Amino acid sequence: AAGVIQSPRHLIKEKRETATLKCYPIPRHDTVYWYQQGPGQDPQFLISFYEKMQSDKGSIPDRFSAQQFSDYHSELNMSSLELGDSALYFCASSLGLAGTTDTQYFGPGTRLTVL
Amino acid sequence: GEDVEQSLFLSVREGDSSVINCTYTDSSSTYLYWYKQEPGAGLQLLTYIFSNMDMKQDQRLTVLLNKKDKHLSLRIADTQTGDSAIYFCAEGSDTGNQFYFGTGTSLTVIP
Repeated sequence: AAGVIQSPRHLIKEKRETATLKCYPIPRHDTVYWYQQGPGQDPQFLISFYEKMQSDKGSIPDRFSAQQFSDYHSELNMSSLELGDSALYFCASSLGLAGTTDTQYFGPGTRLTVL
Repeated sequence: GEDVEQSLFLSVREGDSSVINCTYTDSSSTYLYWYKQEPGAGLQLLTYIFSNMDMKQDQRLTVLLNKKDKHLSLRIADTQTGDSAIYFCAEGSDTGNQFYFGTGTSLTVIP
């Protein structure tokens, strides 16, 4: 079965650069979530989109923005990167809002390293 | 956000049962989940339980939910070395817009 696809899988950037992470949800899934997992930490919710509209916002810094496109894929744009942004970034998708009717299916993550 | 707590470490011998515990604060969660994360890998959904159930069994996995005490546990029978990983419990927010993850329990299986 098709899973959530994230690209790139690994990304190395320098401080103050920008990065764009992409997420392709499971086919027919209309909801996308972004999480950040720092080293040795649990995943922290950043932002979610349902039917191309932002549905919830967590601890996403103002330097980050995200959107969901008409084909339901999503991009997380990160600017003015800081060392503390080094983390594993997960995208998850669901059909409808997970937690009420279904669960979230996670992608393999993008490991971002900021030097 | 909600508080979801887990013990950090657990070691068991191969073939024994493992029990990973989790406590949560949001009683309005419709579902509660267990995820497995192997080193450097993504989050793999193991199982989930509907909030009006007390128990769910899925092959070697048994989930117990005590809603009164807001306590969730995952029992792995006949634990194998391949079960060594970090296990996260998670609860969905009442809107379903996000998940709150526990701190993760690192399970080490000793051969």
